[in-house]
Amino acid sequence: KAGVTQTPRYLIKTRGQQVTLSCSPISGHRSVSWYQQTPGQGLQFLFEYFSETQRNKGNFPGRFSGRQFSNSRSEMNVSTLELGDSALYLCASSLPLGGTEAFFGQGTRLTVV
Amino acid sequence: AQSVTQLGSHVSVSEGALVLLRCNYSSSVPPYLFWYVQYPNQGLQLLLKYTTGATLVKGINGFEAEFKKSETSFHLTKPSAHMSDAAEYFCAVSETNDYKLSFGAGTTVTVRA
Repeated sequence: KAGVTQTPRYLIKTRGQQVTLSCSPISGHRSVSWYQQTPGQGLQFLFEYFSETQRNKGNFPGRFSGRQFSNSRSEMNVSTLELGDSALYLCASSLPLGGTEAFFGQGTRLTVV
Repeated sequence: AQSVTQLGSHVSVSEGALVLLRCNYSSSVPPYLFWYVQYPNQGLQLLLKYTTGATLVKGINGFEAEFKKSETSFHLTKPSAHMSDAAEYFCAVSETNDYKLSFGAGTTVTVRA
């Protein structure tokens, strides 16, 4: 069974640009969540999608957005990049039930210069 | 709202010694509790979880954790550390129908030969 796939693995962008990250969940998983990991703030929840609907959103500015497609694949977008957006972005997929295991991808390392 | 506190950002143990990582949580409702491990440049892997039932939970790689409601704790232990246990460990909590994980700051474990 294939795991959660995130593309690309590494990305370098310039301040002010925008970026789109992609996540393909495990087959059959319809819930997809995104997290930002930085040395200073740790792991922070960005948003969660189920059946193309955002069910929960973390405390991030509107520059961070996401969407989910009918095949459960998800993308997140960050517009007007800032240096502080440099982070490891992790995607997780799970069954849409509380308490179930979230399976994480290897992440996309975004560096903003 | 839930929060997680991990005591000690770094733990150093000798190979063969007990590993004890502490986690305390706050939650307004009975929580789901998780321990994840992260190796360098990797995503997170679930070690174990508590949802309901038996309060002593066994996980992968010889790890176990005990849910103590009265102490709001979910400490992780392993009787005998192995070099391969060197990694970062995260305690996380979620609430019913919350669809997100709230993580502690993480504890980095180093294992001395």
